[in-house]
Amino acid sequence: NAGVTQTPKFRVLKTGQSMTLLCAQDMNHEYMYWYRQDPGMGLRLIHYSVGEGTTAKGEVPDGYNVSRLKKQNFLLGLESAAPSQTSVYFCASSYSPGMAYGYTFGSGTRLTVV
Amino acid sequence: AQKITQTQPGMFVQEKEAVTLDCTYDTSDQSYGLFWYKQPSSGEMIFLIYQGSYDEQNATEGRYSLNFQKARKSANLVISASQLGDSAMYFCAMREGPGNRDDKIIFGKGTRLHILP
Repeated sequence: NAGVTQTPKFRVLKTGQSMTLLCAQDMNHEYMYWYRQDPGMGLRLIHYSVGEGTTAKGEVPDGYNVSRLKKQNFLLGLESAAPSQTSVYFCASSYSPGMAYGYTFGSGTRLTVV
Repeated sequence: AQKITQTQPGMFVQEKEAVTLDCTYDTSDQSYGLFWYKQPSSGEMIFLIYQGSYDEQNATEGRYSLNFQKARKSANLVISASQLGDSAMYFCAMREGPGNRDDKIIFGKGTRLHILP
């Protein structure tokens, strides 16, 4: 099925470990986003990309890095995980930046840092 | 300042009653889009309804309608004849544009809706 696929779905990390979350979409969408969701905070934008080879910072970028080497993939990296990064991470993609275009979301990655 | 405000952290509603989830927004753009997403306990984000700032009619999708009051900057979601399956978190969101190439969707903090049997 066409859509946005996130891997892994669950992960437990120890403080200081690193990991990469992968987001893949097969809809030829130009725009991709990483959000984190915390209780009572809604979804907050971490980083986003407006096309292959481009990345930009969102609202809460500290402690994260991203790469978009291929149009269909958007990687989110945690170089040295901290307990404050315990969250549910959502990837999303959009065909266009136009105001009428919503997101297609992945199913989320639940990350726990102990 | 928050761009999307959802003032109801949680709501309890009897099954079959209508529900209104409040959302106010803040933007200086003339062109923008408003969205509602549903997040059930399974965690996925489900698109419900969209309203463009230039749309004169309120958007409707089945049992969902968006009560758009532009002058008040209000975009309330109305669910008619609520069902147990409507129990979920609901997010109001806005996308400004189209002038800014780097635009993105901004989300409110959400309202958790509980439907009581």
